[in-house]
Amino acid sequence: DTGVSQDPRHKITKRGQNVTFRCDPISEHNRLYWYRQTLGQGPEFLTYFQNEAQLEKSRLLSNRFSAERPKGSFSTLEIQRTEQGDSAMYLCASSLAGWDEAFFGQGTRLTVV
Amino acid sequence: AQKVTQAQTEISVVEKEDVTLDCVYETRDTTYYLFWYKQPPSGELVFLIRRNSFDEQNEISGRYSWNFQKSTSSFNFTITASQVVDSAVYFCALSGMLTGNQFYFGTGTSLTVIP
Repeated sequence: DTGVSQDPRHKITKRGQNVTFRCDPISEHNRLYWYRQTLGQGPEFLTYFQNEAQLEKSRLLSNRFSAERPKGSFSTLEIQRTEQGDSAMYLCASSLAGWDEAFFGQGTRLTVV
Repeated sequence: AQKVTQAQTEISVVEKEDVTLDCVYETRDTTYYLFWYKQPPSGELVFLIRRNSFDEQNEISGRYSWNFQKSTSSFNFTITASQVVDSAVYFCALSGMLTGNQFYFGTGTSLTVIP
């Protein structure tokens, strides 16, 4: 296993369209996190999963955002009716347990035009 | 509330100089973890170190060293004899038991090492 992988790496979409991102964590990792990072800022927490259970969601995650992790393996993050303010780097990370270091993927850069 | 402050937005040093990146944190957790990550221009966050709140021993790894002081809520990172490859944005992060161990990141310090 070479680490956390995210797909696609880049996405350009028109405002109002729906987009879906995929994250494949390190295989034995139970925790999976989604973060969002805008230019000049640190990553901001969006949500995390313990196996298939989504345990917490940030206030940043409006009802246009939904995340799933079926069977506790890969995860998807969907944004419906995208807005220009959604333009950011979306980062996925995984860890063995809640107190372990998280390993990040290369991110999906979303541009909403 | 969990909060991480990295007051230094940008730092420039000449190669071979030592540089210290500051990190100050706030938490109500008694059990928590502190991390440093490096984000090179390629964009991927690279894990550097994790410390738990019960272990205040300083750590050295090659040219990198970390100074954890609970009394001042600081977890500073020093690069000795900096190299051009050290140029990156460095993030300090905090994770606590009370908040489900999600990571709270600072705003990062952009380090430029000039050859």
